[in-house]
Parts: sequence; structure tokens; C-alpha cells
Amino acid sequence: GQNIDQPTEMTATEGAIVQINCTYQTSGFNGLFWYQQHAGEAPTFLSYNVLDGLEEKGRFSSFLSRSKGYSYLLLKELQMKDSASYLCAVSGQAGTALIFGKGTTLSVSS
Amino acid sequence: EAGVTQFPSHSVIEKGQTVTLRCDPISGHDNLYWYRRVMGKEIKFLLHFVKESKQDESGMPNNRFLAERTGGTYSTLKVQPAELEDSGVYFCASSQLVQGDTEAFFGQGTRLTVV
Repeated sequence: GQNIDQPTEMTATEGAIVQINCTYQTSGFNGLFWYQQHAGEAPTFLSYNVLDGLEEKGRFSSFLSRSKGYSYLLLKELQMKDSASYLCAVSGQAGTALIFGKGTTLSVSS
Repeated sequence: EAGVTQFPSHSVIEKGQTVTLRCDPISGHDNLYWYRRVMGKEIKFLLHFVKESKQDESGMPNNRFLAERTGGTYSTLKVQPAELEDSGVYFCASSQLVQGDTEAFFGQGTRLTVV
């Protein structure tokens, strides 16, 4: 079967660092995406990992370990606007549909 | 450049009625996907078009759902007749047709409520 697990909710304060974990068990694996979704808006692309290791993009970084079926999204210097749902999604085969986790709702407070 | 647009943004219909959702992908994107999120659950795949052809429709729940993409541009998803369990947010996404994975751009979704 297909299973992607991530925490339901997380809280943090402005300026802090937060790590959102994602574990996956899927019948196929080509790559892993992270999307951000603010309430009532479209999910927007944050990062993509296909090889093991860390991909850094400004305040956001994403890590992948294919052998462990594990990824995390690291958000640094948190801002209030980072309050959103963060979706972990696996591409089982290149170019095919994504398999999503339920998302992690992050609340950033001052 | 316009993003992925979906219409309507909200729809409330009675059980047994018909609803048609529309998605306009980003111009030039041959891949078009429909997804659905039922309350409390994850976003789930429904169907994938490549241009006007259905590449994968394994996620379609049953034959009450019909998707079309005439001419390979915009797509419609019709639910007929609607049932209570069809309530949820329907997302459309589009991407370029390339070798390997590429970023999919999502629309804001259509929130469907069947009463």
C-alpha cells in the first residue's frame, strides 16, 4: 500500500527553527516534494528531492534519505507568514500523480 | 502569466444534482491532474490527462465522475448524480511534459458541498 506519515500539527515562535518530518512507504519512489498551503489557497511548490542529502533554498531546506524512507523540511528564522499547512508528497513514477501525506499545520506565534 | 484557475470556487448542491467543475491549466502545460481532499483526509489523486488523453484514471471513485479535456486545453470534471460523500475540495494541477519529475502548479480548488 501507500503510506505517508507526517505530524498533524506543530507550533513554534517567530525567529525559531522547526523541522517537519515525513516518512513514506510507497510501492514506487522517484522523488519527494514539499508544498506549502495557506488556508483557502493553492498548494505552492517549496522543494524537490530525488537524491539523498540536503537541498537548501533560502530559509527552507529539505532532506531526503531514500534508504530510510524519510524526509524533513527545515524552516529557519520563522516568520508569522510561515503559518500554513506543509504537504509531503511522493512521486511514485516520474511524471505521474503525487501521493500526499495529510499535511502538517504549522502555527507560528510572536 | 496566469496560474491554474478553477471555477467555481465554491458550490453547494443537493444530493442527486449534477455539478461540473472547470480547470484552466497554465498555457502550454500538457499534464493536467485532478485531485480531491475530503475533510480530515489527505489529498488524493483522481485522474491524469496528457494533452487530451486520459493517461491514468485509476483514482476516479466510480462512474458518477466524468472528466474531459477536449482539445487538450481546459478540463471539466462532472459529478452526476452527486452524493453526500462527494463533498470535499477538488484541486486541479498542471505541469510541463518533461522527462522525469517537474513542479506541478495547483489551482485554489473548488469546495463542493453536497447536502
